[in-house]
Amino acid sequence: TQLLEQSPQFLSIQEGENLTVYCNSSSVFSSLQWYRQEPGEGPVLLVTVVTGGEVKKLKRLTFQFGDARKDSSLHITAAQPGDTGLYLCAETSGTYKYIFGTGTRLKVLA
Amino acid sequence: NAGVTQTPKFRILKIGQSMTLQCAQDMNHNYMYWYRQDPGMGLKLIYYSVGAGITDKGEVPNGYNVSRSTTEDFPLRLELAAPSQTSVYFCASNDRGALDSEAFFGQGTRLTVV
Repeated sequence: TQLLEQSPQFLSIQEGENLTVYCNSSSVFSSLQWYRQEPGEGPVLLVTVVTGGEVKKLKRLTFQFGDARKDSSLHITAAQPGDTGLYLCAETSGTYKYIFGTGTRLKVLA
Repeated sequence: NAGVTQTPKFRILKIGQSMTLQCAQDMNHNYMYWYRQDPGMGLKLIYYSVGAGITDKGEVPNGYNVSRSTTEDFPLRLELAAPSQTSVYFCASNDRGALDSEAFFGQGTRLTVV
């Protein structure tokens, strides 16, 4: 079973700061998704990356897929309190099942 | 825009009781999933289904059962509830189970077993 490790586990920062969270695997990803989960809600898809080296931007969020497709990062520029939540990476490992990482819990203080 | 609907939102069970968590989707998705999320953790797959009449075990199936008689519904049954089943349960669906297909989640059912 593929293991997805996310780091850091917890992150508390001030509004306006930048941050990066990571998702690493022991195996090659088929493709990778990033989800954000707000308290009391289910996860919501932010982005899907498929190609090694791929970079995608979603407003202040930048997602990068490692060249070897074994790691990914999410960078947030000028974090806002609305960015607070649990960030999860997920991979399908070539089957129909989504395998989720352990998550990074982000809190942005005003 | 109902999407994935889960009921109930909250439930407290006594040890040994049984219950069914309901999940319905109105997007005509073939693939459906049940996950549990323990405090501060990611999601662990309990069961999944690739279409009506077809179900399979995930990582943590013990203590649970599922059925998929229609495309829309995917109920999760807990028999003989145990404290270890205290968790938040999420149902999800997607349209093609492909590598880059988005999973749509319900709002979750928060279950406490006492």
